[in-house]
Amino acid sequence: DSGVTQTPKHLITATGQRVTLRCSPRSGDLSVYWYQQSLDQGLQFLIQYYNGEERAKGNILERFSAQQFPDLHSELNLSSLELGDSALYFCASSVGGLGQLTGELFFGEGSRLTVL
Amino acid sequence: AQTVTQSQPEMSVQEAETVTLSCTYDTSESDYYLFWYKQPPSRQMILVIRQEAYKQQNATENRFSVNFQKAAKSFSLKISDSQLGDAAMYFCALLQPSYSGGGADGLTFGKGTHLIIQP
Repeated sequence: DSGVTQTPKHLITATGQRVTLRCSPRSGDLSVYWYQQSLDQGLQFLIQYYNGEERAKGNILERFSAQQFPDLHSELNLSSLELGDSALYFCASSVGGLGQLTGELFFGEGSRLTVL
Repeated sequence: AQTVTQSQPEMSVQEAETVTLSCTYDTSESDYYLFWYKQPPSRQMILVIRQEAYKQQNATENRFSVNFQKAAKSFSLKISDSQLGDAAMYFCALLQPSYSGGGADGLTFGKGTHLIIQP
């Protein structure tokens, strides 16, 4: 058990819909990362938050957005869903960000999104 | 931009034998970390081993060891005495810390190698 909790574990929805994925990081971890894992693109970094603020963006679509709340949990919002958004979405956390890296990210079990 | 390449989509090894998974990477920075993550059928990403670029000594964790060749930008994983529980997808990953305030502290992953253990 990594200590990172993601909900829901599975989600099935239709094209055009909007979903929210939730992540609770390990206790004490300030950084949260979102990754998308699909068969054709592999693991892609989407976005990172550090202590409530957006730190960096990766390959995140404009239809997607995220935020990190004062209690450090994070949500990834996916809107106007398309078939190609079907993927496994991982949240990961780490102790710090700037200059405080241990170099290790702790991953949740992922949320499997299926868009029909 | 940094890239990570795993040229072996699938590898197969007999139980108790040794197998080596290949990884090459590209980065313009001198300060970085390299990792091997394991993703079993349960799908959770599990850290296997990590290497700091400034360390010349190869990292070792029990049956897992790496061959880190910084000049060649190569980072292979050796699994000794392979066990059935080692069957999984293995991902090589590069972390380029951002100390300057810009950029991501996120990992760049390779496409993965599917490791099959033959009993």
